[in-house]
Amino acid sequence: ETGVTQTPRHLVMGMTNKKSLKCEQHLGHNAMYWYKQSAKKPLELMFVYSLEERVENNSVPSRFSPECPNSSHLFLHLHTLQPEDSALYLCASSPSPGLAGGRTDTQYFGPGTRLTVL
Amino acid sequence: GNSVTQMEGPVTLSEEAFLTINCTYTATGYPSLFWYVQYPGEGLQLLLKATKADDKGSNKGFEATYRKETTSFHLEKGSVQVSDSAVYFCALLNDYKLSFGAGTTVTVRA
Repeated sequence: ETGVTQTPRHLVMGMTNKKSLKCEQHLGHNAMYWYKQSAKKPLELMFVYSLEERVENNSVPSRFSPECPNSSHLFLHLHTLQPEDSALYLCASSPSPGLAGGRTDTQYFGPGTRLTVL
Repeated sequence: GNSVTQMEGPVTLSEEAFLTINCTYTATGYPSLFWYVQYPGEGLQLLLKATKADDKGSNKGFEATYRKETTSFHLEKGSVQVSDSAVYFCALLNDYKLSFGAGTTVTVRA
């Protein structure tokens, strides 16, 4: 398998459920990202990981909890979500995050997980 | 701060028509510029990019030139096909942060 993969592709959950989204990149990249795409809103950056360390938490509510066990895998753990959290959640990776004025790299996206919160 | 403004859609065209989607940006420093495309039910795919002023990105018949003097990165294709129907996003990368435009929905009719 190549590129960036995400599972599941679709998820329906109740507000009291706990679920996890998974992202895997097969590109040898060192940085991974979570984005949220809501209807009629620009894509929002949620989290950034560089070499398994979180370097950005873009004011995301604590009901979203990311985990990066290694440079190839990224999870987004979900609990007690709200209906307004329904969206397409996109994972991306890049060779490096380009921190501290370093080289900035192209981000490559997975197909997304379509989440519906009832 | 960084921001991207792209023309609002939807845009509806006939096959073989010329497509232009305008994109302008504001940014500090020297950002890289991108066009991503999202086909129905799918994630974002990188269409083309340019990393410095006067660079031209091109792919699949699409082109865009990084114009620093007008802070623009307009997307063009000379002859569209039905398979080009998608949502197109202009984006700016500064440090590690991608800033996206709102997206332009393009529909090409046979």
